Parts: sequence; structure tokens; C-alpha cells
Amino acid sequence: EVQLVESGGGLVRPGESLRLSCAASGFDFSLYSMNWVRQAPGKGLEWISYITNSRKTIYYADSVRGRFTTSRDNAENTLYLRLASLKADDTAVYFCARNSYSGLQRAYFMDVWGKGTTVTVAS
Amino acid sequence: SVLTQPPSASGAPGQEVTIPCSGRAPDIGSNSVNWYQQLPGKAPRLLIFGDYRRPSGVPDRFSGSKSGSSASLAISGLQSDDEAEYFCAIWTAGLSGWVFGGGTKLTVL
Repeated sequence: EVQLVESGGGLVRPGESLRLSCAASGFDFSLYSMNWVRQAPGKGLEWISYITNSRKTIYYADSVRGRFTTSRDNAENTLYLRLASLKADDTAVYFCARNSYSGLQRAYFMDVWGKGTTVTVAS
Repeated sequence: SVLTQPPSASGAPGQEVTIPCSGRAPDIGSNSVNWYQQLPGKAPRLLIFGDYRRPSGVPDRFSGSKSGSSASLAISGLQSDDEAEYFCAIWTAGLSGWVFGGGTKLTVL
């Protein structure tokens, strides 16, 4: 079964750091680009980061650039997100999502999602 | 926001509802639009990719279309299970990332 499982969320104080993990199984993780997407309580989806399968290209949303760092370990089938200098506005459920491409349709899409891990930033 | 959706939509069981997603012509016109369904408390699920294509397992009651600077998700034969939030999304080279619409909460009356 194709699956993504996030972990590492919790309650942290403003200014602190945290590392999230996303364990992939059921597919060849090393072939796929991956994303992190978050959702603040009662709000919509916000894409925050993308990393290619080779790690050569990493993109960040303006809201997290310079504070969050995405990495991956293809040998361990795991995606990571390090969150630093956390603010109350970073409180959200963090999802990892697989990035896929259909050559036939020439379309990119996020087709596999984890259930998410919750990060709460509060003093 | 780059993509605009109405915050809410509703329809009676059995009816058809259409959810629009509008943006600038260069954004929507040049990029394929994807749609996601998010049931309460759940992770998003890919519903439509490449403007109108359905992944396997998605009922044909769900259909996507695009024209000019707007895209639409149509849901026919509404069921109570369709109550969810629906998001459109595109990949924009200009912003080097994915952009989501604000989401439309669908209520089945």
C-alpha cells in the first residue's frame, strides 16, 4: 500500500525549533519529488516546500523561507522538515505529499498525502 | 490570492453543483488545474488533475473543466458524503511552487 506517515509534531514555544518526518512506503521514494503543505486551524491549504528526488532543487514559500529547511534521505525513504524560529502563525497541521507527473497529460499533481502531524506554537 | 474560490456552495441531494476557481489568464491558462477534496478532519484527496482527468477510484460524478482564466469542478448527483471542502491548485513557475485556492466548503442540504 502506498503510504506517507508524518511524525514529530508537538507543542513548542515561540522561537523554538522542531523537526518533522514523513516516512514513505509502498513506492520507490527515490523517484519522486515531495512537498510539505500545512493547514492552520480553520484555514485553507498552504504549500510551504518542494524538493526534487535528487535534492538538487528545493523551493520554499515566502512565509517560511529562511526559517524552515526541507531535506530527504532516499536510503531511509524519509522526508524531513526542520522548523526554526517558530511563531504562533506556524501553528498548523503539516502534511507531506507526493509530487507526481503524467507525461501523457503533461500534468503535475500531488497524488498521495499523509494524515498530517500537528504543530502548536504557544507560550 | 492567485486563485479565487467562493467560500461556500450548497445543493440538495441528487442535484448538480459547480465550484469555480478563477485567476489570471497567464496562471490558469498556462498551468494545469488540480482539484482536491478534504473531508472534515481528513487529509486532502486528489479529485481531478490536468484540468479534467480523474484518478482511478474517483467517481465520474466529479468532473473538471477550464476555459480562459477560470476552472470549474462540477459534482453531479450530490450525496451527503460529498460534504467537504474543495480546493483548486496550480503549479506556478513564476512563484516556483504550488498555489491553492482559498477553498470552498460544500454543504449538501
